[in-house]
Amino acid sequence: KNQVEQSPQSLIILEGKNCTLQCNYTVSPFSNLRWYKQDTGRGPVSLTIMTFSENTKSNGRYTATLDADTKQSSLHITASQLSDSASYICVVSGWGSGNTGKLIFGQGTTLQVKP
Amino acid sequence: DAGVIQSPRHEVTEMGQEVTLRCKPISGHDYLFWYRQTMMRGLELLIYFNNNVPIDDSGMPEDRFSAKMPNASFSTLKIQPSEPRDSAVYFCASTHRRGTDTQYFGPGTRLTVL
Repeated sequence: KNQVEQSPQSLIILEGKNCTLQCNYTVSPFSNLRWYKQDTGRGPVSLTIMTFSENTKSNGRYTATLDADTKQSSLHITASQLSDSASYICVVSGWGSGNTGKLIFGQGTTLQVKP
Repeated sequence: DAGVIQSPRHEVTEMGQEVTLRCKPISGHDYLFWYRQTMMRGLELLIYFNNNVPIDDSGMPEDRFSAKMPNASFSTLKIQPSEPRDSAVYFCASTHRRGTDTQYFGPGTRLTVL
């Protein structure tokens, strides 16, 4: 069964600290993996997109890694800021109908950054 | 560009009523997606269009849900009749090409069915 599991479910850290969010998936065959940031009351915003051949991709203070062998991804946030408080959603695309592929969504990790 | 535009932003209706959600994708984007988000189930893809043609509607929960895209700049998601379990936030997203292109989400419509 195609699944995406994220951990932890929620996380509280102090401003300025680093943190790492995890995403494990069983989607096969694999096409790409995306990390989204969703602020409360807003739509998700794309942070990174990685294909099978990419091991790491950065977007400012956000760095995503991908291990396609173990089917694991992580999102590392460096020097956290209050504005990083949001939900982070991992989305895996497998090959499916049409050209976009089937999207399997994780339940998200809720991050709270405290001053 | 103004981004993906959705209306209304909030909708409260009574069970059994028809609900129509609207979306204007980013100009020039060939793909349009409708998603639903709830606390219990998270984000779910309902249906997506390519060049105004529905490609995959396997996520549409039941026949009460229907979606149309009469032209490249407008899409609707209709629920008839609505039920309390349809209460959720409905997002529309668009992207230019397939595969690894970024999907741009609208602000969402929060639907409450009483």
